[in-house]
Amino acid sequence: NAGVTQTPKFRVLKTGQSMTLLCAQDMNHEYMYWYRQDPGMGLRLIHYSVGEGTTAKGEVPDGYNVSRLKKQNFLLGLESAAPSQTSVYFCASQTGVRFDTEAFFGQGTRLTVV
Amino acid sequence: GENVEQHPSTLSVQEGDSAVIKCTYSDSASNYFPWYKQELGKGPQLIIDIRSNVGEKKDQRIAVTLNKTAKHFSLHITETQPEDSAVYFCAARNAGGTSYGKLTFGQGTILTVHP
Repeated sequence: NAGVTQTPKFRVLKTGQSMTLLCAQDMNHEYMYWYRQDPGMGLRLIHYSVGEGTTAKGEVPDGYNVSRLKKQNFLLGLESAAPSQTSVYFCASQTGVRFDTEAFFGQGTRLTVV
Repeated sequence: GENVEQHPSTLSVQEGDSAVIKCTYSDSASNYFPWYKQELGKGPQLIIDIRSNVGEKKDQRIAVTLNKTAKHFSLHITETQPEDSAVYFCAARNAGGTSYGKLTFGQGTILTVHP
């Protein structure tokens, strides 16, 4: 009963390098989200997906790309990392469109760009 | 879009005291208000939520109140314990239209409970 699993947990990148963060959920959820968490700013939505093969921009999408080729996986990519992307990244998933459905979060990925 | 403001940013209490965290929201169409607890090194976890047709909800030592007219909601923790120490986030969701279940979060409150 894993829930939402994020890979990796920690990563240090050099400016300009690329990487992909993986989010996997085993709850058959339709909706998946990527947030970033910065001190004093709460969680801000980067991109989201409402089903396999669909993606959409959130509040802070610049510098990131996403893909949802399989229902259970949601990938977040950084093509050319910048120090401003140093953050803790959280993936979340939820089922359907019911307004009070619970969002489940992964344990986070701490990314440092030097 | 929705904007959620959360206060205070830090809160320090003695074990056994009560703690109150307040949030205001801007979108009158928001109808779901969850509270999340985030322990060190972990992801946020839902602790309680309230729907817009309810004014108050209680679950053991925690309670949430909602004032739709004033567009604010609060988390109340009674008889605090050291294990309540964590970061707490409020959030709001408007399930209608093109919101697609997105949550808008407050800035977070670091709660420290001293033994």
